[in-house]
Amino acid sequence: GAVVSQHPSRVICKSGTSVKIECRSLDFQATTMFWYRQFPKKSLMLMATSNEGSKATYEQGVEKDKFLINHASLTLSTLTVTSAHPEDSSFYICSASGGRQSSFNKAFFGQGTRLTVV
Amino acid sequence: DAKTTQPPSMDCAEGRAANLPCNHSTISGNEYVYWYRQIHSQGPQYIIHGLKNNETNEMASLIITEDRKSSTLILPHATLRDTAVYYCIVRVSSQAGTALIFGKGTTLSVSS
Repeated sequence: GAVVSQHPSRVICKSGTSVKIECRSLDFQATTMFWYRQFPKKSLMLMATSNEGSKATYEQGVEKDKFLINHASLTLSTLTVTSAHPEDSSFYICSASGGRQSSFNKAFFGQGTRLTVV
Repeated sequence: DAKTTQPPSMDCAEGRAANLPCNHSTISGNEYVYWYRQIHSQGPQYIIHGLKNNETNEMASLIITEDRKSSTLILPHATLRDTAVYYCIVRVSSQAGTALIFGKGTTLSVSS
C-alpha cells in the first residue's frame, strides 16, 4: 500500500515553544491531508483537513492560530503547534488520500508523533 | 456517514479465528464498510473494505450481511501481533476529500 511518513515520531519541548510535525506521502500525490489528535485510551479526533494550495479547514473547537497547518505541495503537509502547553501533549497522526489510490479511497496514515510538553 | 456500533473489547486465543462484529443499521446504499486497526502507539492501518459482497485479502475476510446492516471482520488465525484496536467505519467511497471518522472501536486481545 501507499506510504505516509511522519516526522518526528517523538518530541519533547518546553512550554511556550513551537513544534513542527511533518507528514509526507512518499509514493503518491496527496491532494488532501488530515490531522488527528489522540489522547490516551481515546479514539482519534479529527483536527483539520488540508488541501494542497489552500487554507486548512478546522474542526469545531480546534484553534487555527495555535495549530498552524501548511500544505504547500502534493507530498508534504506540516502541523505546527505554537506556544505549546502541557495540555497539548498528545499523539498527533496525519492521514493522506488522493492519487491513484483515490479510486478505493483508502486513507493512509503516518506512524504518529508523540508530543510531550514539559 | 452512518454510525457504527462495536463491542468495546474481545479476547481471542492465538491461532484461533477472531470474529469482530460491527452493526451499521443506518448504512445507505452507496456507503462502504471499512476496517482499520491501530496497534499501540502507531497510526491506523487499513485492513479491508467492501460494499455488498464478502471480501478477502491477505490480512482478513469481511462478511457483510445481505441487508448490509451488519458485518464481521474475520482474522482466520490470530497471532499476538494482531492485538490492536479495530475500527469499523462506513462512508461513501467517492469522498476522497473527507476524513475518516473514528468511533471507539473494539480492543482485541490475543493471548497465547
